Amino acid sequence: KQEVTQIPAALSVPEGENLVLNCSFTDSAIYNLQWFRQDPGKGLTSLLLIQSSQREQTSGRLNASLDKSSGRSTLYIAASQPGDSATYLCAVIHAQAGTALIFGKGTTLSVSS
Amino acid sequence: NAGVTQTPKFRVLKTGQSMTLLCAQDMNHEYMYWYRQDPGMGLRLIHYSVGEGTTAKGEVPDGYNVSRLKKQNFLLGLESAAPSQTSVYFCASSYITGPGNTIYFGEGSWLTVV
Repeated sequence: KQEVTQIPAALSVPEGENLVLNCSFTDSAIYNLQWFRQDPGKGLTSLLLIQSSQREQTSGRLNASLDKSSGRSTLYIAASQPGDSATYLCAVIHAQAGTALIFGKGTTLSVSS
Repeated sequence: NAGVTQTPKFRVLKTGQSMTLLCAQDMNHEYMYWYRQDPGMGLRLIHYSVGEGTTAKGEVPDGYNVSRLKKQNFLLGLESAAPSQTSVYFCASSYITGPGNTIYFGEGSWLTVV
């Protein structure tokens, strides 16, 4: 059974710091991996999608990497800002399980000014 | 551009009551999903549909039923609500499955069962 783990569960940093969020999955047979952002009381917003054949994706200050063989992904946030404060969720689509995303429990990020 | 719309956004039910959550998408997506999100548990898949007229069970289907009579709508029903079904429910949709699949989520429905 595919399991997704995110470490740390919570992270507090001062504004301007570069930071890394970690995601690991137990079965490397994935179609893709997605990183989402969730603000309190809101839905999920897709940040980056990395297909199984790709190594990384970038969007603005965000960079996500994927190492399928080791079952790991990282989300790098450069020059963090208070507006980055949110919960970040990692999810994979398991190639054999069909269509649905399997989520980690998230990392709650707090960036102080 | 509405995307994925969920109704209602908030609801309080008494134990044993029934209700239906409606999810509507305007992107002509084939795939639709219902998740629940609980503290410390993350998002878990309840049911999903791979096209009009189809439904399938996810990780936590017990106590829920679903229907996909129209391609754009995916309904989640609670026949006899229990306090354990207090949760935030998210609907999602996608065009295809596979490596290039991007999933879009609704804003969530907060359900409290007392």
